Amino acid sequence: RKEVEQDPGPFNVPEGATVAFNCTYSNSASQSFFWYRQDCRKEPKLLMSVYSSGNEDGRFTAQLNRASQYISLLIRDSKLSDSATYLCVVRITGNQFYFGTGTSLTVIP
Amino acid sequence: GAVVSQHPSRVICKSGTSVKIECRSLDFQATTMFWYRQFPKQSLMLMATSNEGSKATYEQGVEKDKFLINHASLTLSTLTVTSAHPEDSSFYICSALGTGDGYTFGSGTRLTVV
Repeated sequence: RKEVEQDPGPFNVPEGATVAFNCTYSNSASQSFFWYRQDCRKEPKLLMSVYSSGNEDGRFTAQLNRASQYISLLIRDSKLSDSATYLCVVRITGNQFYFGTGTSLTVIP
Repeated sequence: GAVVSQHPSRVICKSGTSVKIECRSLDFQATTMFWYRQFPKQSLMLMATSNEGSKATYEQGVEKDKFLINHASLTLSTLTVTSAHPEDSSFYICSALGTGDGYTFGSGTRLTVV
């Protein structure tokens, strides 16, 4: 079983839609969780960390469910500029961490 | 915020030659840097973990004699692809744990071996 599993998509949604991505992890000792955004042929950039209490940054909401071992990212009012690949990253301990395969999102006019 | 500078951004080399990629942490000290490879439409794959002043730790299946990693200072790690072949053509990215949450990535190096 993979350490981190993520639906690769693609997700094609119209502008203004709400879209949600989930990412499951297998190691219950996982300590830190992140969502990264990667544009085509560019490096990943940190979108937001995921905290136990859930956190929101504008149109983006991240949540962590430790009982079910998944994290989620919700994007409201999708913009064309949200089109990218979204990677979840799970840090086990220290320098041990794993990437999901990424979920491709295309927002359609 | 933390910045990792990676050079070159793009390199084309002949088969059999070696290519060196540099990653520098500009405003923080990175005792550990990570090197990844990403093939088209695939996720990042960790190649090795580079620790300052010690030998790198390579992931299974990554040839340490082919991908030489040197982390001689707290701000510089290098990856040298030796005797490059066309199948080594890929996007190589480094990252380091910055001062805040998450990992900061270099801008990546697109290597094309012809």
